[in-house]
Amino acid sequence: AQSVTQLDSQVPVFEEAPVELRCNYSSSVSVYLFWYVQYPNQGLQLLLKYLSGSTLVESINGFEAEFNKSQTSFHLRKPSVHISDTAEYFCAVSEWGSQGNLIFGKGTKLSVKP
Amino acid sequence: DADVTQTPRNRITKTGKRIMLECSQTKGHDRMYWYRQDPGLGLRLIYYSFDVKDINKGEISDGYSVSRQAQAKFSLSLESAIPNQTALYFCATSDSGAGEPNEQFFGPGTRLTVL
Repeated sequence: AQSVTQLDSQVPVFEEAPVELRCNYSSSVSVYLFWYVQYPNQGLQLLLKYLSGSTLVESINGFEAEFNKSQTSFHLRKPSVHISDTAEYFCAVSEWGSQGNLIFGKGTKLSVKP
Repeated sequence: DADVTQTPRNRITKTGKRIMLECSQTKGHDRMYWYRQDPGLGLRLIYYSFDVKDINKGEISDGYSVSRQAQAKFSLSLESAIPNQTALYFCATSDSGAGEPNEQFFGPGTRLTVL
């Protein structure tokens, strides 16, 4: 069965520092991969996704993630974080043929300090 | 106006009470979902519906039921609430389509407390 592991439940970082949020998945078939972000007291929003093609995908606010099939990973990175990036980040996977249903990781709380 | 709305936003109830959480969407999407979020556990799928006549159980459907009253409305019921159903509940919608999955759009959430 598919599963998603986010190894870090909390990541504190100073403003303008780089950050990496780790995500590994387990599946016996090919997958689609997503990162969603949840700002305080809000619902989730799609940040970026990998469906096919280039393994490096980017968001409009400077985040990027790279699909690594051999390591079954989809880590999220940003070279320089802002206070406004403080949020909880969820990695999610959808297996081919699963009708698009998502399995979410447990989330990583990113806290950016001044 | 928000595309996906949930009512109520907050609810406190007692053990054994029947509770209904409602979700409405103006995005014209066929697919609707109910998730619960617990601290440290992420989101878990309760029920999903691909159209008005198609309702499916998710990972944690026990103790819950749903009704798809129309394409735009999907309600979640707790027939007899218990304290471990205290959680943040999210409704989501997505467009249908074969092949690659579409983005899910989430409502603002309903915080439910069962005493």
